[in-house]
Amino acid sequence: GENVEQHPSTLSVQEGDSAVIKCTYSDSASNYFPWYKQELGKRPQLIIDIRSNVGEKKDQRIAVTLNKTAKHFSLHITETQPEDSAVYFCAASPSGGGADGLTFGKGTHLIIQP
Amino acid sequence: KAGVTQTPRYLIKTRGQQVTLSCSPISGHRSVSWYQQTPGQGLQFLFEYFSETQRNKGNFPGRFSGRQFSNSRSEMNVSTLELGDSALYLCASSPVPQRLGEQFFGPGTRLTVL
Repeated sequence: GENVEQHPSTLSVQEGDSAVIKCTYSDSASNYFPWYKQELGKRPQLIIDIRSNVGEKKDQRIAVTLNKTAKHFSLHITETQPEDSAVYFCAASPSGGGADGLTFGKGTHLIIQP
Repeated sequence: KAGVTQTPRYLIKTRGQQVTLSCSPISGHRSVSWYQQTPGQGLQFLFEYFSETQRNKGNFPGRFSGRQFSNSRSEMNVSTLELGDSALYLCASSPVPQRLGEQFFGPGTRLTVL
C-alpha cells in the first residue's frame, strides 16, 4: 500500500517568514495530493490540493508543488501569520479520490513565533 | 448547509466493551469515510462507504466494522475494546468517492478506553 513520509515533525518560523513542509510518497499510482490544516481541538480542514497532471498550484499565500518523478510534494506558506500555527497533514490517494481513501503523513506542527 | 455531524462527541468505555459511533454527512453527500487519529500513528484510514456498500478498508482488525444506511448516515462499531483503541474517530463526507477535493471532516468522537 501507499506510504507517506512527512518532514519536519515540528517547524518554528518567525512571523512574516516562509514555511516549507515536505512529503514523499511510495505508490507511483497516487495522483491526488491534498493538504489539511488542523488547529488544536478542531477537525482537519482542506487548505489546498493538487492532482498529478499539475506541477504547482497556488492560492494566495499557500502553494503546493509536485514532483512526480521524485515522488515528493511540498507545501509552501509565505508571509506567515500567527493564525497559521497548527498541525499540517499531507496525504496521497492512489486512485485520485476513489475508494482507497487517503494515506496521511504523520503531520507537521507549525509554530509561528511573534 | 449543515456540516458533517458526529455523535457522541465524547465517550468513555472499558476494555472488552463495544461501541457504536454515528456520522451524518453533509446533505447530498453519499460517500462517508472513517479515520482514526492518535498521537503516535496520526490519521489512519479505516473504511469508506458509498451507496450502502463498503468500498475499501484500511489495515485494521475485524473488530472494526461499519455500515451505511439508505440516507447516507454511517455508523462504525468497535467490539471487544482495547486500550489502544483510545483515539479521535473522524468521519468525512464527499459527494461521491471520486471527489475527495470536496471532502469535509466532522468534529470527531473522542473515545477513551479504560
